[in-house]
Amino acid sequence: DAGVIQSPRHEVTEMGQEVTLRCKPISGHDYLFWYRQTMMRGLELLIYFNNNVPIDDSGMPEDRFSAKMPNASFSTLKIQPSEPRDSAVYFCAVRWGGGTEAFFGQGTRLTVV
Amino acid sequence: QQPVQSPQAVILREGEDAVINCSSSKALYSVHWYRQKHGEAPVFLMILLKGGEQKGHEKISASFNEKKQQSSLYLTASQLSYSGTYFCGTEAGGTSYGKLTFGQGTILTVHP
Repeated sequence: DAGVIQSPRHEVTEMGQEVTLRCKPISGHDYLFWYRQTMMRGLELLIYFNNNVPIDDSGMPEDRFSAKMPNASFSTLKIQPSEPRDSAVYFCAVRWGGGTEAFFGQGTRLTVV
Repeated sequence: QQPVQSPQAVILREGEDAVINCSSSKALYSVHWYRQKHGEAPVFLMILLKGGEQKGHEKISASFNEKKQQSSLYLTASQLSYSGTYFCGTEAGGTSYGKLTFGQGTILTVHP
């Protein structure tokens, strides 16, 4: 089972508040990705990890965004402070190596008002 | 850098065919295709590895031209269930091995 569990599924928060998105993948994967989906930009890669180590965070829009992966079974994406333009669906996905398919979580729909 | 998909949207009648294209400016190791239904997560369709192979899955197939860094997804005799947004994902080689980047998506709508 390649289940990837994201929480919360929906988050509504006020501008300026801190938001933490969580991802719990089935262990054993090599790569973990955080994507942001909007109508304008499609699926945008924010950051990815290889064996729990951040490899490329060039897609993180600003210093307000940070991500951690303390172990193979858990990752967080934090936005502090949040802004209305951060409103989007955020997906976590995993792969078992290069050249293999990616499995996505159900996503977190974030609305910043 | 995100791969570029075309067209941005396609409208079909049941039974018609469609082609979705994906191109990259980088030398690619693999190309992925995913379909996303409204409100759901993207679901894997197929992967094509460097080597110019073509793959098929029922009435959906794809090709990968590694010389041009282009891939095409072919949907034949479309069904209502094919409606959704199609994403191509690309993985370059070298230091970018493992990194999976997606295009902006192509919205496919199939009408009865």
